[in-house]
Amino acid sequence: QSVLTQPPSVSAAPGQTVTISCSGSNSNIGKNYVSWYQQLPGTAPKLLIYENNKRPSGIPDRFSGSKSGTSATLGITGLQTGDEADYYCGTWDSSLGAGAFGGGTKLTVL
Amino acid sequence: EVQLVESGGDLVQPGGSLRLSCSVSGFTFTTYGMHWVRQAPGKGLEFVSAIRDDGSSTYYADSVKGRFTISRDNSKNTLSLQMSTLRPEDTAVYYCVRDRGGGTNSLDCWGQGTLVTVSS
Repeated sequence: QSVLTQPPSVSAAPGQTVTISCSGSNSNIGKNYVSWYQQLPGTAPKLLIYENNKRPSGIPDRFSGSKSGTSATLGITGLQTGDEADYYCGTWDSSLGAGAFGGGTKLTVL
Repeated sequence: EVQLVESGGDLVQPGGSLRLSCSVSGFTFTTYGMHWVRQAPGKGLEFVSAIRDDGSSTYYADSVKGRFTISRDNSKNTLSLQMSTLRPEDTAVYYCVRDRGGGTNSLDCWGQGTLVTVSS
């Protein structure tokens, strides 16, 4: 049982836009920054979004993040087949005194 | 180039112990907090443990508290995870991860992972 809740899967056609939600509570998302990670098959996760809505160098602006209250959202525009991956949200939980991840969302580009 | 290289993963019997190491290069190790994150086969990411840049504070998931110990040697650019009383549910790929800093818990650099298998 993950601390943060994500939909298990989402799908969309190439070129379309998709959003992935991440729901938490006052002790985690409500109080701390949210990050998003992309994990391509067979590889280590990669940081996509940090501090709710910032992109590391090299991440295209097709990827965006937002946060409102105890929820966060990852948006991907202009979907490409290479975007097929598992996406995870992550943050710190101040009550647990530990990191927290969502269960992951598998993105399929049809 | 930033590099994090884990080692120490192995097959171990339930109740056994194992020590993972992570050798880092390409950045000033002493200025970054570090994490261990694991991923069981076919499952999602799970926070395991974290340590501040100076080693002054450590944090653990409830599932490993009292069994795992995180430490760092800033003179050798090395992060470690001592695991004891291992259980089958500890079977996972263990990633060494750099925390981007500033209290943001943004994990910006990941190692390739090392596999720990707990089985008789």
